[in-house]
Amino acid sequence: NAGVTQTPKFQVLKTGQSMTLQCAQDMNHNSMYWYRQDPGMGLRLIYYSASEGTTDKGEVPNGYNVSRLNKREFSLRLESAAPSQTSVYFCASSKADRGNEKLFFGSGTQLSVL
Amino acid sequence: DAKTTQPTSMDCAEGRAANLPCNHSTISGNEYVYWYRQIHSQGPQYIIHGLKNNETNEMASLIITEDRKSSTLILPHATLRDTAVYYCIVRVASFGNEKLTFGTGTRLTIIP
Repeated sequence: NAGVTQTPKFQVLKTGQSMTLQCAQDMNHNSMYWYRQDPGMGLRLIYYSASEGTTDKGEVPNGYNVSRLNKREFSLRLESAAPSQTSVYFCASSKADRGNEKLFFGSGTQLSVL
Repeated sequence: DAKTTQPTSMDCAEGRAANLPCNHSTISGNEYVYWYRQIHSQGPQYIIHGLKNNETNEMASLIITEDRKSSTLILPHATLRDTAVYYCIVRVASFGNEKLTFGTGTRLTIIP
């Protein structure tokens, strides 16, 4: 099992460009999450999907959209990138069938917006 | 979810037990204590969690005080690979939604 796979690992964008961060998990998990981490800070939740077909806003959703394409895949889209979105983005998943499950994280996407 | 307070940084000698404290004085009766760690900008890794009883697994032990207002994560024999940022998180168990709120954690440095 690969666990949680994120692509790309690194990306540089110009202000105003758009891009989609991809995330896939092979653990048959129900819930998936997108977090961002700025330098020296903890992770902040952007969006999450409690189950296939549902998505909800987290703490910092502005400037992002998400798609839960199927049970395996959860993508994060930046429609018009801004320098404030320079960050490391982490995708995570959890089984979410008992209410106190642990999260499994991907290795992250380092995004720079110039 | 209850707020947690952790020291900003700690050092521990290699081979010794690392004891990482966490204060969560406003914790509610149905909130769990979770510990994750993040090694050098990798994705966070789950370590352990508990409600009120002490817990132990292959990675660590979690000691929760009787009043549940604080806890300690114990790495029994710290190695250099345990150098990481450790996050203490408290949250209510919620079906279908395990979202976590991360603080800034404790930066643990294992000294050779």
